[in-house]
Amino acid sequence: GAGVSQSPRYKVAKRGQDVALRCDPISGHVSLFWYQQALGQGPEFLTYFQNEAQLDKSGLPSDRFFAERPEGSVSTLKIQRTQQEDSAVYLCASRRGWLAGVRGTDTQYFGPGTRLTVL
Amino acid sequence: GQQVMQIPQYQHVQEGEDFTTYCNSSTTLSNIQWYKQRPGGHPVFLIQLVKSGEVKKQKRLTFQFGEAKKNSSLHITATQTTDVGTYFCGSGNTGKLIFGQGTTLQVKP
Repeated sequence: GAGVSQSPRYKVAKRGQDVALRCDPISGHVSLFWYQQALGQGPEFLTYFQNEAQLDKSGLPSDRFFAERPEGSVSTLKIQRTQQEDSAVYLCASRRGWLAGVRGTDTQYFGPGTRLTVL
Repeated sequence: GQQVMQIPQYQHVQEGEDFTTYCNSSTTLSNIQWYKQRPGGHPVFLIQLVKSGEVKKQKRLTFQFGEAKKNSSLHITATQTTDVGTYFCGSGNTGKLIFGQGTTLQVKP
């Protein structure tokens, strides 16, 4: 596709409900990232996939958060038993390559985000 | 872990005035990336700096990476209303980016 797409754009959940957020990266992009952005803050890293492999999930705040990318393209971020503190914008980003280092890293292209509100 | 601090948090300027945001780290950064996020939008990549002392320009925007690779700045000359938004710096070695808190720029016409 032309860019990273995410769905739904807005989600309202009652506390305790499970939610699933979808990310469609740019076609052919190897790397996929999930970030959480609270109001007035910068994006905070949640997890990173290289193809279907989840290489880093150090940013997931609790075991209620789970992400997958089974076929190396579309990814889903699932939040179980949502809490009010989970309210945020969840951003997905994809990157063409997977190597990074002293020469820098490929551009990350962000999707529009899913705004999650937990009541 | 690595932290990136960004100041100021907010800046209001009159159209035509200059604007600068600063990004600082206590550790050496392998690279620094700058993003712009319009109100209600998502971060959009502006530029990446990797070399010590590097300076890059994009029209009215000037980006600098410090000699010690611990700080960076974004300077906008003669701001326009289209410059409104939040500017984030970010850095990362393994691909994941650690972002600063962002500087929100308001421009009065």
